[in-house]
Amino acid sequence: AQKVTQAQTEISVVEKEDVTLDCVYETRDTTYYLFWYKQPPSGELVFLIRRNSFDEQNEISGRYSWNFQKSTSSFNFTITASQVVDSAVYFCALSVDQAGTALIFGKGTTLSVSS
Amino acid sequence: DAGITQSPRHKVTETGTPVTLRCHQTENHRYMYWYRQDPGHGLRLIHYSYGVKDTDKGEVSDGYSVSRSKTEDFLLTLESATSSQTSVYFCAISSDSYNEQFFGPGTRLTVL
Repeated sequence: AQKVTQAQTEISVVEKEDVTLDCVYETRDTTYYLFWYKQPPSGELVFLIRRNSFDEQNEISGRYSWNFQKSTSSFNFTITASQVVDSAVYFCALSVDQAGTALIFGKGTTLSVSS
Repeated sequence: DAGITQSPRHKVTETGTPVTLRCHQTENHRYMYWYRQDPGHGLRLIHYSYGVKDTDKGEVSDGYSVSRSKTEDFLLTLESATSSQTSVYFCAISSDSYNEQFFGPGTRLTVL
């Protein structure tokens, strides 16, 4: 069975601080995909990144970066120099390479950035 | 933005009444999904579809049925709504089962 754990329920930071959101996953499949989504207070779910299990390269997109480590089954998300607009619930998700399977979501981390 | 709409966006209904939520896409994606989002549970899969008339159950399918008669439409039906089905319902689409999913705006359903 697959599982995603986001141990941090809520994080509060002050603007310009760096913050890392943790994601630990469990799967016995060798081919799998990891995702991060953002849900701002307006409620929509915004896709941020997809990473497959064969690509352990870290990725940077502006102030966002992702660290994928298969050895620790983690796919952590760092926001550098956080801004108030980063305040949202962030979800990590996992899918495996089997027809018809859907995303398994973690329970989310609520990030609050204050000015 | 992916072309996904959900209707209605908000609905209040009474226990025991049938309710149908509609998801419509303009992307011609093969896969469509219905999730529910509840505090403390994240998003949980209700049903999904991998093609016209091809559907399967998800983690929390009891009390729900779905239909997909056209590629662009995926309907979620609560045959007899209960208060435990009060939730926010999200539809999602993807071009393949392992690709990223794009979500609709959500429907907030309240069952009194």
